[in-house]
Amino acid sequence: DAEITQSPRHKITETGRQVTLACHQTWNHNNMFWYRQDLGHGLRLIHYSYGVQDTNKGEVSDGYSVSRSNTEDLPLTLESAASSQTSVYFCASRGGYAGDEQFFGPGTRLTVL
Amino acid sequence: ELKVEQNPLFLSMQEGKNYTIYCNYSTTSDRLYWYRQDPGKSLESLFVLLSNGAVKQEGRLMASLDTKARLSTLHITAAVHDLSATYFCAVDMYYGNKLVFGAGTILRVKS
Repeated sequence: DAEITQSPRHKITETGRQVTLACHQTWNHNNMFWYRQDLGHGLRLIHYSYGVQDTNKGEVSDGYSVSRSNTEDLPLTLESAASSQTSVYFCASRGGYAGDEQFFGPGTRLTVL
Repeated sequence: ELKVEQNPLFLSMQEGKNYTIYCNYSTTSDRLYWYRQDPGKSLESLFVLLSNGAVKQEGRLMASLDTKARLSTLHITAAVHDLSATYFCAVDMYYGNKLVFGAGTILRVKS
C-alpha cells in the first residue's frame, strides 16, 4: 500500500544545530507540503513543492529550507535550530487533480533546547 | 487571501447529544475537506466535498457544503466518547494546489 513516512519520529537537538527531517511518499504524488502544528496556531504551512526542482515558501518559512530532487522525498532543513522551532512537524502529499485528497505523514516531534 | 474560520474552537458535549461544527471560508472554492486528529496522532481524512450541495455521511458524522454561503457543516448525531478528537476543515484554493486549514475544533464527549 502507498504511504507517507517521516523520520525521525522524535528528535531533541540544541540551539544552533542544523537539523533535517525526512519525508518519503510512495503515492507518486507531485505535490508535497510541510506544516508545523503548535497549540493555539493550528496547522501552518512552511514550504511546499509541486514537483521535482520546484519549491515554494509558505506562511512560516523563515529558518527553514527544502529541496526536491526526486518525486518521493521532500526533506525539511532547519538551518540553525531555535527554541521557537520546537513543534510537531507534518509532511503531506496529494495528487495533481482538483479534489484529490491530501495525505499526512505520522509527524515528527522536534524539541530544541 | 483565503481565510478559513471554524467555530466553535472548543466543544464539550454530553453523550447522546447532537451538535454542529461550522466552517466558513472567505473566497470562492467548491472543494472542502474534513480531517480528524486524535491526540498525539496525525490527521486522518474524513470527508471530501467537491460540489455545492454535497453531503457525505459516515456513522454519526455528516458533512455538507454550501458554496454560495461559503459554509460547510459537520453535524454530530448522538455523540459517543469515541468521537472525542480535534476536527479540522480545509479549503482548496481556487488557484494553486494547496489547502488552507481552519484552526480546528476540539471536541470532548463526556459520558
